[in-house]
Amino acid sequence: NAGVTQTPKFRVLKTGQSMTLLCAQDMNHEYMYWYRQDPGMGLRLIHYSVGEGTTAKGEVPDGYNVSRLKKQNFLLGLESAAPSQTSVYFCASKGQGNYGYTFGSGTRLTVV
Amino acid sequence: DQQVKQNSPSLSVQEGRISILNCDYTNSMFDYFLWYKKYPAEGPTFLISISSIKDKNEDGRFTVFLNKSAKHLSLHIVPSQPGDSAVYFCAALNRGSTLGRLYFGRGTQLTVWP
Repeated sequence: NAGVTQTPKFRVLKTGQSMTLLCAQDMNHEYMYWYRQDPGMGLRLIHYSVGEGTTAKGEVPDGYNVSRLKKQNFLLGLESAAPSQTSVYFCASKGQGNYGYTFGSGTRLTVV
Repeated sequence: DQQVKQNSPSLSVQEGRISILNCDYTNSMFDYFLWYKKYPAEGPTFLISISSIKDKNEDGRFTVFLNKSAKHLSLHIVPSQPGDSAVYFCAALNRGSTLGRLYFGRGTQLTVWP
C-alpha cells in the first residue's frame, strides 16, 4: 500500500532546462494537487485536478504545466526552469467524500 | 490574500508542558478544519480534524478547539514530547465546494526541548 509516490526525490537542474515530476497514487482518488513549499511561505497550490482529464490553476501556476491523462498519475512539468522554482514540491490526493489529503514525501528541486 | 493564518512562525516548549498552536481564518464558508504535522524530508501527515458543528475534538494528547465566532482554532498538545518537534500546518475546507481544496496556513515550527 504505497499511497502517494513522487519521483524523483531530488533533482538539480540548470536554468532553462525542462523536467517532469511524477505523482502516482494507488488509492483510486479523484482529486490530485501539486504544492510547493518555500521557507516562510507554507504550502502554495500550483495546479490541481478534480478528475481524470481535468486540470486547473492554483495560486502560483506560472512556469508550470500539468497533465492528468490517467486517474492515478498527475504530472507537473517545468518547461524552462528558473532559480525561482527552487523549492520542495509536494503532491497530494484526496478521495471523493474524504476531507483530508494524503501527501507524497516530496521532491526537492534546485535550479542553478 | 491568505484565508488561513498562523501568525506564530515558531514555538518553543519544554518537554511535559502544554503546547498551544493557533490558527485564524477569514472565510466564513469554511466548515471543516484539519491539522497536519510535517517532519523534515517528509510529506505532511494528517493529525486531527474538527467539524464546524463541534467546538472540541480530542485524540490522545492532541485536542483541537474551534471558536467559530472568532474564526479561530487552536491545537493543544499535552504533555509535549521531543518527538512532537515538527512543523504544524492548519488547514481549512469548504465541504460544499466541488474543488475539494484545502487552504493552508504558513505553518508553525514547534520545538520541544528536554
